[in-house]
Amino acid sequence: GAGVSQTPSNKVTEKGKYVELRCDPISGHTALYWYRQSLGQGPEFLIYFQGTGAADDSGLPNDRFFAVRPEGSVSTLKIQRTERGDSAVYLCASSRPGDTQYFGPGTRLTVL
Amino acid sequence: EDQVTQSPEALRLQEGESSSLNCSYTVSGLRGLFWYRQDPGKGPEFLFTLYSAGEEKEKERLKATLTKKESFLHITAPKPEDSATYLCAVQAPGGSQGNLIFGKGTKLSVKP
Repeated sequence: GAGVSQTPSNKVTEKGKYVELRCDPISGHTALYWYRQSLGQGPEFLIYFQGTGAADDSGLPNDRFFAVRPEGSVSTLKIQRTERGDSAVYLCASSRPGDTQYFGPGTRLTVL
Repeated sequence: EDQVTQSPEALRLQEGESSSLNCSYTVSGLRGLFWYRQDPGKGPEFLFTLYSAGEEKEKERLKATLTKKESFLHITAPKPEDSATYLCAVQAPGGSQGNLIFGKGTKLSVKP
């Protein structure tokens, strides 16, 4: 079946702008996760949804970052007032509760 | 603090030259250790989950093993298509189901 999809695949923006990154999980997966991966590093946890609610948002770096999943399927990661340090690959993963996480291809965000 | 350390950072092998990658972890009460493969420009691809010391899992030329302090990913007679970055992650108790802690990865290059 179809895997996790993420759009856009690449996003270039200017410092101070607002961006939205979208994740479409595997059908039937109620758990959804966002990670951020900088060059040469492993993925870093940002937030975890179980259904529509954020079960753990302890990885969000500051209040410029926000994520929603209003219908328990597609999720959007929102970044306000982007900074150059936000440049990274943003990865989304989904799973059945407590099961293996399957990752999407990521969105490469570049803040100029 | 829960940590995951992978070594070496990079490994170059000739085709057919077997070797091992190491993942050492410091976490109290391991809930699971995961191995992923990541190709350039793509998201991590799930390989194995290990839950308890002494457990082993195999897939084609790869075998993962687990002790109380570390995991090894053994690669037998590698081929050029095995070239990728191999990521190790742990899931600790107390954290949410989303809180995977990743190492920085080992970049494997297999030359024909």
